[in-house]
Amino acid sequence: EVQLLESGGDLVQPGGSLRLSCAASGFTFSSYAMSWVRQAPGKGLEWVSTISGSGDSTYYADSVKGRFTISRDNSENTLYLQMNSLRAEDTAVYYCAKGAPGIAVAGSGAFDYWGQGTLVTVSS
Amino acid sequence: DIVMTQSPDSLAVSLGERATINCRSSQSVLYSSNNKNYLAWYQHKPGQPPQLLIYWASTRESGVPDRFSGSGSGTDFTLTISSLQAEDVAVYYCQQYYSTPPTFGGGTKVEIK
Repeated sequence: EVQLLESGGDLVQPGGSLRLSCAASGFTFSSYAMSWVRQAPGKGLEWVSTISGSGDSTYYADSVKGRFTISRDNSENTLYLQMNSLRAEDTAVYYCAKGAPGIAVAGSGAFDYWGQGTLVTVSS
Repeated sequence: DIVMTQSPDSLAVSLGERATINCRSSQSVLYSSNNKNYLAWYQHKPGQPPQLLIYWASTRESGVPDRFSGSGSGTDFTLTISSLQAEDVAVYYCQQYYSTPPTFGGGTKVEIK
């Protein structure tokens, strides 16, 4: 059974940093692209970032480029999102999502499994 | 970026009746080399993660009830729930994966009338 478990969400001040983690199990982690998708309070879904299965390729939304860094440890089956220079508009539930097999374009794709999400609140 | 526009924002349907959700993309998401539409639909219930329902515009994900169907091509797509059940109350999103960044529609909230 595929499981994705996010952690690391917290209340942080504007300008602060946070690292999110997503522990994966139930599939061959290194074979799939992984992504972060967020949902701000009362808003819809917004793609944040994607990393290839090998970790060689990364992609970012313009809204987070230069501030967020996606990475993965395939030996630990864990996905990360390092978030720096956080802003109030980064407040959201952050989901980690697995790329659906065969439904991927470089940096894009559909998402067939999602974690429960972790809440990031940026506020003073 | 490809902009995805859904309509309506919300709809209320009686149990057992049909629900229809529309999604339009700002440019075609039909890839001519394989004749596939790079369009997915998700169901998002409160307190749960989104669930993939449909990909390639009309292919149901494994385990998704057959009352859910997707149709359309190019820039105009539809998600149909043929006979609404109580457990279908949710927000539904379309998403294009034709290009980066992948983009979602604004969502359609489905309720029981």
